[in-house]
Amino acid sequence: KQEVTQIPAALSVPEGENLVLNCSFTDSAIYNLQWFRQDPGKGLTSLLLIQSSQREQTSGRLNASLDKSSGRSTLYIAASQPGDSATYLCAVKLPSGTYKYIFGTGTRLKVLA
Amino acid sequence: DVKVTQSSRYLVKRTGEKVFLECVQDMDHENMFWYRQDPGLGLRLIYFSYDVKMKEKGDIPEGYSVSREKKERFSLILESASTNQTSMYLCASSTSPEKLFFGSGTQLSVL
Repeated sequence: KQEVTQIPAALSVPEGENLVLNCSFTDSAIYNLQWFRQDPGKGLTSLLLIQSSQREQTSGRLNASLDKSSGRSTLYIAASQPGDSATYLCAVKLPSGTYKYIFGTGTRLKVLA
Repeated sequence: DVKVTQSSRYLVKRTGEKVFLECVQDMDHENMFWYRQDPGLGLRLIYFSYDVKMKEKGDIPEGYSVSREKKERFSLILESASTNQTSMYLCASSTSPEKLFFGSGTQLSVL
């Protein structure tokens, strides 16, 4: 059974720091992995999607990597800003033919001014 | 940009009421989903629809039903609301390559 874990559950960093958020999954048979941002009381906003055949994706100050063999993905945020404060969730999609997405419980990030 | 719209941001209902949560997407996506999100439990799938009038149960369908009469609209129905259905409800849609797009959520309180 696929399980997705995000550690730590919460993280505080000073503004300007580069940081890495972690996502681990137990079964390497995934279709894709997606990173989301969620602001308090709001829905999820898609940040990056990595297909199973890809190693990384970049968007602005964000870079996501995927290592299926070790069951890990990282989200790298460069030069963090207070506006980056939010909860970051990862989700893996199970192999093609199913509709299942398995979500982690997220890392709550606070960037201090 | 894809837009997934949930009709209400906040709802307060009484125990035993029938509750309708509406979701509309504007990008002709085949797949639509209803999740609920609770602290410490993460997102859990309630129902999924892959086409008009087609639906499949997710992980926690008990106490819920859904309706998809048109491709763009997916409704979640709480037949008889109970206090343990107080939660954040999130609608999502997707198409190839199966990227998920979420609405802004409905915070439902059942008193």
